Order: sequence, then structure tokens, then C-alpha cells
Amino acid sequence: NAGVTQTPKFRVLKTGQSMTLLCAQDMNHEYMYWYRQDPGMGLRLIHYSVGEGTTAKGEVPDGYNVSRLKKQNFLLGLESAAPSQTSVYFCASSFSGGPSTDTQYFGPGTRLTVL
Amino acid sequence: AQTVTQSQPEMSVQEAETVTLSCTYDTSESNYYLFWYKQPPSRQMILVIRQEAYKQQNATENRFSVNFQKAAKSFSLKISDSQLGDTAMYFCAFMLRTYNNNDMRFGAGTRLTVKP
Repeated sequence: NAGVTQTPKFRVLKTGQSMTLLCAQDMNHEYMYWYRQDPGMGLRLIHYSVGEGTTAKGEVPDGYNVSRLKKQNFLLGLESAAPSQTSVYFCASSFSGGPSTDTQYFGPGTRLTVL
Repeated sequence: AQTVTQSQPEMSVQEAETVTLSCTYDTSESNYYLFWYKQPPSRQMILVIRQEAYKQQNATENRFSVNFQKAAKSFSLKISDSQLGDTAMYFCAFMLRTYNNNDMRFGAGTRLTVKP
């Protein structure tokens, strides 16, 4: 199993450009998440999904959109990138239901720079 | 809103010694989980240990153990027999235990350096 993978690993954008980050998991997890990590701060939840076709806002959703068309994939979109969105983005996934299934498994991260 | 505070931005420890990382949190709820994640220079987030709030017994995983004080809202991580590979950022995290709510809140992290 590859676990959780993220594409791309690095990206540089100009202000106003758009892009999509792809997260894929092969563990048949129901839940998937997108976080951002900024210097000196912990991870902050952007959006998450509790199943195929569903999405929900997290702590810092503004400026981002997401889609979960397939269970194994969770896409994060930036329609008009801003320098404030320069960050490292992490995707994670977890099972649903039951006390032993809430552990989140993280991808390796995507470093995004917006100039 | 739930908040997580890690008051030690950086710590260091000699190899083979013991170190304790602090974490406090704020919530009015009673049913939740607490986690410690490790982030080495590779940036991968790795689960170290988890604690369920309804369990009084402190969780342990090999050299890692926690001191969970629910009334004080404290959740510290103890690393025994520190190894060079333990050098990493350590994040404390909180998650409410409610149906379909997996919104996890992280602290700002503690950078741990293990010295030879």
C-alpha cells in the first residue's frame, strides 16, 4: 500500500493563477482532510470530507475549494492564488466510526509558494 | 472553540535521557481524543500516541508515554531513552469525539533535538 500520496510535491505560482492539489489514498478510508501548515504554527484544517460526494469547511476554508468525486481522491483547488496561501499543504485520511478508527494518516506534504 | 497550547517552542535532550513535552488544551466538552504527532525533517506527520479522554489509564507506546490530567486539561509526552531519530517537531492535537466530526486542532509544536 502506498498509503496517502500527494501531487505535486512542490509548486510555485504567480498571484492570481489557479491550481489543483491532488490527494490519493489506497486504504479505503471514508474521511479525507486538507490542512495547511505555516511557520510557527500547527496544522490548520481547510476542508474535509466524510465520504464520496460530500465536503465540509474546516477552520480556514476561505480561498479554497474541494471536491471528492471518487472515494480515494480528494482535490484541493485554489482559484486565484494569493501570497497568503504560501504554505505547506498536508492531506490526511481516516476510517469512519468506532473509537479505534479516528487516527489520521498523513501524506508527505506539498510546498506551495505564491509570488 | 477548542484550543491547544504547547508552551515550549524548543527543547533538547542528551541521547539516552528522558524528556517531557508539555501540552495543555481548552474545551468544555468531556468526550474527546488527544494525540501526539511527530514531524521529522522529511515533513511526514507520524502518529506517536493517542489517548481517549474517557480512559483514566495513561497511554504508552514503547518508549513513549503520556501523563493525561483531565481536570487540569494537560497532556504531556514523555520520551524515555531518547534516540537521535527522535529529533523532530512534535505536535499535540485535540479532536472532539462526536459523530462525523473529525475536526482536529493542533498546537504550534515543540522542536526537539536529541544530542549525541
